[in-house]
Amino acid sequence: KAGVTQTPRYLIKTRGQQVTLSCSPISGHRSVSWYQQTPGQGLQFLFEYFSETQRNKGNFPGRFSGRQFSNSRSEMNVSTLELGDSALYLCASSPDGSGTEAFFGQGTRLTVV
Amino acid sequence: GESVGLHLPTLSVQEGDNSIINCAYSNSASDYFIWYKQESGKGPQFIIDIRSNMDKRQGQRVTVLLNKTVKHLSLQIAATQPGDSAVYFCAENTSPVDNAGNMLTFGGGTRLMVKP
Repeated sequence: KAGVTQTPRYLIKTRGQQVTLSCSPISGHRSVSWYQQTPGQGLQFLFEYFSETQRNKGNFPGRFSGRQFSNSRSEMNVSTLELGDSALYLCASSPDGSGTEAFFGQGTRLTVV
Repeated sequence: GESVGLHLPTLSVQEGDNSIINCAYSNSASDYFIWYKQESGKGPQFIIDIRSNMDKRQGQRVTVLLNKTVKHLSLQIAATQPGDSAVYFCAENTSPVDNAGNMLTFGGGTRLMVKP
């Protein structure tokens, strides 16, 4: 079975721009969660999608948004980028929503300049 | 587990010794816990999980212990190998009880260094 696939692996954007990151979960998994990892704040939960609906949301501003498609693939979008948005963005895939194993992709390294 | 920021605690062990990595979690209502291993440049790799109705769970060379009384989790690695060198994170599922979701809160991580 293929693992969680995130694209692109690396991105460089300018302040004020917007960015869209993509995540393809493990086949058959319906829950997709997004996390931000920085040296200063560690791993922080952004949001979770299940059956195309956002089920949980972390404490991030509204500039961070996401969606999930009928095939469980997910995208997250960050608008009006700030320097502090530079981070590794990780996607995790779970079979369903009942507190089950969460498997991570390799992440997308976003650098805002 | 609360994020502790930039400076990761480091555990240095000799190859072949056993390692114990500890974690304090924050929510007494959490019912599911996971240990992850993260190598440089990679995403976290699932190691082992445990539910709150258990005190101990064993995998291949790894054991997780859960002490709900003091909200403490530990990961034991037997016969530590150089390939075990990485940062280890504990995570608790802090999703609200009524929505059965996946919402992991991570500890700050511990760097394990294995000396050959």
